[in-house]
Amino acid sequence: AQTVTQSQPEMSVQEAETVTLSCTYDTSESNYYLFWYKQPPSRQMILVIRQEAYKQQNATENRFSVNFQKAAKSFSLKISDSQLGDTAMYFCAFGGRLMNYGGSQGNLIFGKGTKLSVKP
Amino acid sequence: DVKVTQSSRYLVKRTGEKVFLECVQDMDHENMFWYRQDPGLGLRLIYFSYDVKMKEKGDIPEGYSVSREKKERFSLILESASTNQTSMYLCASSWFGEEECEQYFGPGTRLTVT
Repeated sequence: AQTVTQSQPEMSVQEAETVTLSCTYDTSESNYYLFWYKQPPSRQMILVIRQEAYKQQNATENRFSVNFQKAAKSFSLKISDSQLGDTAMYFCAFGGRLMNYGGSQGNLIFGKGTKLSVKP
Repeated sequence: DVKVTQSSRYLVKRTGEKVFLECVQDMDHENMFWYRQDPGLGLRLIYFSYDVKMKEKGDIPEGYSVSREKKERFSLILESASTNQTSMYLCASSWFGEEECEQYFGPGTRLTVT
């Protein structure tokens, strides 16, 4: 069964600095998707970045980038120039072809989350 | 933009009450999901649905049921609420199929059972 592990329950970073959040996963599939979601305090969960496993190039979205190491099954999130608004819970999630119940794909497996605090 | 809405942000119920949590999405998504979120446990899937009137159990379905009478609406039902069901409940939706399994989330309902 697929699993997703986030080994850092909490992290903090100074404003304007760079921080990296770790995520490892386990799967026997060769093609799948990986996601980082952000959940600000008392606010809606939103997608930060997405990586398709068959793409070798690491995904980037403005200040957010990933380091995707397929062989090592590692998917870390780097936040550059951290801002106070980056304070949130961050969840790593895995989605793949085998993630189906009753024939439907589309389910995701989530890690337990990393609580990131950006300090002024 | 995809919009997923949930009927309440905060809800307080008494033990033994029947509780309905409703979720509506406006993007014609086939898949809809109910999760509960607890500190240190992340998101755990309760139930999901990939079509009207279809439902599948997730990882923690005990004590819950669901209803999907219309494509855009997915309801979570606590038949007899208990204090251990105090939690944050998140609804999500997504397209059906292999290619795009990104999920879109509602704002969540924080349920307290006293």
